Amino acid sequence: NAGVTQTPKFQVLKTGQSMTLQCAQDMNHNSMYWYRQDPGMGLRLIYYSASEGTTDKGEVPNGYNVSRLNKREFSLRLESAAPSQTSVYFCAQQEGNGYTFGSGTRLTVV
Amino acid sequence: AQSVAQPEDQVNVAEGNPLTVKCTYSVSGNPYLFWYVQYPNRGLQFLLKYITGDNLVKGSYGFEAEFNKSQTSFHLKKPSALVSDSALYFCAVRDLYNFNKFYFGSGTKLNVKP
Repeated sequence: NAGVTQTPKFQVLKTGQSMTLQCAQDMNHNSMYWYRQDPGMGLRLIYYSASEGTTDKGEVPNGYNVSRLNKREFSLRLESAAPSQTSVYFCAQQEGNGYTFGSGTRLTVV
Repeated sequence: AQSVAQPEDQVNVAEGNPLTVKCTYSVSGNPYLFWYVQYPNRGLQFLLKYITGDNLVKGSYGFEAEFNKSQTSFHLKKPSALVSDSALYFCAVRDLYNFNKFYFGSGTKLNVKP
């Protein structure tokens, strides 16, 4: 998935631990997004950033924070992980009328 | 509220046969509709979009989709399925008032058997 890089690819956390998912795009686009993907529920928007320095809540923001420090990077933070946050997380950037997605982070909270 | 629905969790088709993956939408105005494909352990990839104009939209890998306003549908089609088409397919609609928001369907798993 050229253009959007996510790290890490896999992570296991204990309940209550914190972590930050990193995302970087090299296509100089303004809008970036964080989605979570759960079986049978498609993708749900957690947060998005329409431009550097701005962030807005999506459908399921509770338990997450984001940071858009520069145009290239958009990070997602879990301050106190819960088992309900076990999911696959995708970062995306918008170009034209569609998205380019990263390859995902598979997070398990035990 | 805007939404899309994919009524089938799974579609099975034999290689060489035509395939259809269904999507219906609920939008108060003119919809911006999309199809994405997800291969195992990968992010979603853009296949095609409908914004306006011709109701039959052609996209990547030989896929096409037909926009039907009267039936509020945007079904994905391919005349001759390949085993390599096996993947998870998502329909999506863009929010009319906030272009930063997309709403995705729950996904349809396409299985193409040799």
